[in-house]
Amino acid sequence: KQEVTQIPAALSVPEGENLVLNCSFTDSAIYNLQWFRQDPGKGLTSLLLIQSSQREQTSGRLNASLDKSSGRSTLYIAASQPGDSATYLCAVNPASYDMRFGAGTRLTVKP
Amino acid sequence: ETGVTQTPRHLVMGMTNKKSLKCEQHLGHNAMYWYKQSAKKPLELMFVYSLEERVENNSVPSRFSPECPNSSHLFLHLHTLQPEDSALYLCASSQEPGNGYTFGSGTRLTVV
Repeated sequence: KQEVTQIPAALSVPEGENLVLNCSFTDSAIYNLQWFRQDPGKGLTSLLLIQSSQREQTSGRLNASLDKSSGRSTLYIAASQPGDSATYLCAVNPASYDMRFGAGTRLTVKP
Repeated sequence: ETGVTQTPRHLVMGMTNKKSLKCEQHLGHNAMYWYKQSAKKPLELMFVYSLEERVENNSVPSRFSPECPNSSHLFLHLHTLQPEDSALYLCASSQEPGNGYTFGSGTRLTVV
């Protein structure tokens, strides 16, 4: 059974810092990995989708990497802003419909 | 809006009530999902529909009953719920496994 772990559970940084969020998964046989952002009480917003054949994806200040063999993905956020404060979720798709989610990293960026 | 619309946004219901949650997508996706998000727990998959047929049910209690009348609409019928069923219920859709999920904003359900 696929297990997804996100470290750290919470992170607080001053504005302007570059930061890295970590995601690890136990079964490397995945179809893709997706990073989401969730604001309190709201739904999930897709940030980046990495297919199993890809090593990274970039969107603006965000860069996500994928190392299937080691079961790891990182989300890099450059020049963090208070508006980046949210919970970031990593989800792994094992080529079935049962996408597995991590518990998330709650990020606070202080002005 | 993400292209996946959920209504209502908030719902308070008694344990003897019957209510329904609605989800609608206009993305041309073929699969739709119901997820439950409880406090301090990862998202839990409840139901999956592909081309309007249910393909997965993760042992969800029968007090939750899904319905998918067409590829654009998904319902979750609720009856005789328990207080522990209070949670954020999220609908998602995807073209197929591997193309990424699009989520709605969720329905915040409170059972009193």
